[in-house]
Amino acid sequence: QVQLQESGPGLVKPSETLSLTCTVSGGSITNYYWSWIRQPPGKGLEWIGNTYYGGNTKYNPSLKSRVAISADTSRTQFSLKLNSVTAADTAVYYCARHIGMWAFDIWGRGTLVTVSS
Amino acid sequence: QSVLTQPPSMSAAPGLKVTISCSGSSSNIGKNYVSWYQQLPGTAPKLLIYDNNKRPSGIPDRFSGSKSGTSATLGITGLQTGDEADYYCGTWDSSLSTGVFGGGTNLTVL
Repeated sequence: QVQLQESGPGLVKPSETLSLTCTVSGGSITNYYWSWIRQPPGKGLEWIGNTYYGGNTKYNPSLKSRVAISADTSRTQFSLKLNSVTAADTAVYYCARHIGMWAFDIWGRGTLVTVSS
Repeated sequence: QSVLTQPPSMSAAPGLKVTISCSGSSSNIGKNYVSWYQQLPGTAPKLLIYDNNKRPSGIPDRFSGSKSGTSATLGITGLQTGDEADYYCGTWDSSLSTGVFGGGTNLTVL
């Protein structure tokens, strides 16, 4: 079955760029939308944005100026870049697959990214 | 402050039924589909309901979803101690042009 795995640095310095990759195993990334969602410690979920294998992307307006999401169909991966990070960007970052009109049926286990000097 | 409003906590006894509400507006729940997620401590969210009332394969029929106007509800019957978790609703907000989630409801089964 399809599984997702996030990877990337667990510690990022303030003002630098957070970069994460989500590897999709057991299936193709074509024909689906793929999202990044984050959860600050002890808080709720925040949708960051999504991508479609053809290159279409949508971003949360509150992050749009700092975020980029892209897909690499040859590697069955999609990535997240968030620049100019601050402590407020400290969170568990999840990648997830869309189904239906607005739902996420498959999630990665999540990776904690801490922004600190 | 979340766009979608959920009660922060609820509790109920094993075997009973609980309904968790999710209140929004005409730009989100009022015109888009709602999904519900269960998050056990230290784990990723798990999809329980999508497109307002559909259950993914493997989700027991103890879980149900409904929507009316600008509110949605998650129902859980035959409560079990394993249902203790945080529950989140989510949808698209057409005015904000972003996906939105409720603040989450912590369910205690005691």
